[in-house]
Amino acid sequence: QLQLQESGPRLVKPSETLSLTCTVSGGSISSSSDSWDWIRQPPGKGLEWIGSIHYNVGPYLNPSLESRVTISLDTSNNRFSLKVTSVTAADTALYWCAKKEGGNYFDDWGPGTLVTVSS
Amino acid sequence: EIVMTQSPATLSVSPGERATLSCRASQSVSRNLAWYQQKPGQAPRLLIYGASTRATGIPARFSGSGSGTEFTLTISSLQSEDFAVYYCQQYDDWWTFGQGTKVEIK
Repeated sequence: QLQLQESGPRLVKPSETLSLTCTVSGGSISSSSDSWDWIRQPPGKGLEWIGSIHYNVGPYLNPSLESRVTISLDTSNNRFSLKVTSVTAADTALYWCAKKEGGNYFDDWGPGTLVTVSS
Repeated sequence: EIVMTQSPATLSVSPGERATLSCRASQSVSRNLAWYQQKPGQAPRLLIYGASTRATGIPARFSGSGSGTEFTLTISSLQSEDFAVYYCQQYDDWWTFGQGTKVEIK
């Protein structure tokens, strides 16, 4: 059974860089059919797709965030990562990593991690 | 960017009743649409993909319909565990979510 787990600092200072890692178990991130994504949800708000990476394509990044976002793949350790630079309070959110089946819909999710931007 | 608009924002329904949720796309997404259920503090759970195909383990009381720009999620007889927020998501052109419909107990 595929499992995803987010890890990284829960508190980030304004103007600094938010860094999260998603470790995948029970499956390979080198799968030819799947993409690996980051999604976030600010408190009390809806879902926002951040970006996606496939082992030989991408990343694809939300145009509203792409100037500040980096997504990378670490196939040796079966994990992928997210970096968001120059964070503000607006980046405070629940962050999830997820598998995107066939590059389409999100069928497996991590439990999520709340990242707070505050001094 | 394709904008997904869900209605209503909140739906008050009694247990055992039918719930009908709507999702509209700003341009045609064919049948490239998924529905998710989210409970407080949890990750969304995939319910429906391809507009009408139930994901693994999803009860038959959940059904999806529609194509193009108009889609519907129907919960035929609401159970206590179905009170949650529901999101639609298109995957025809990149990936965008609707703003959600909260299904609450009447």
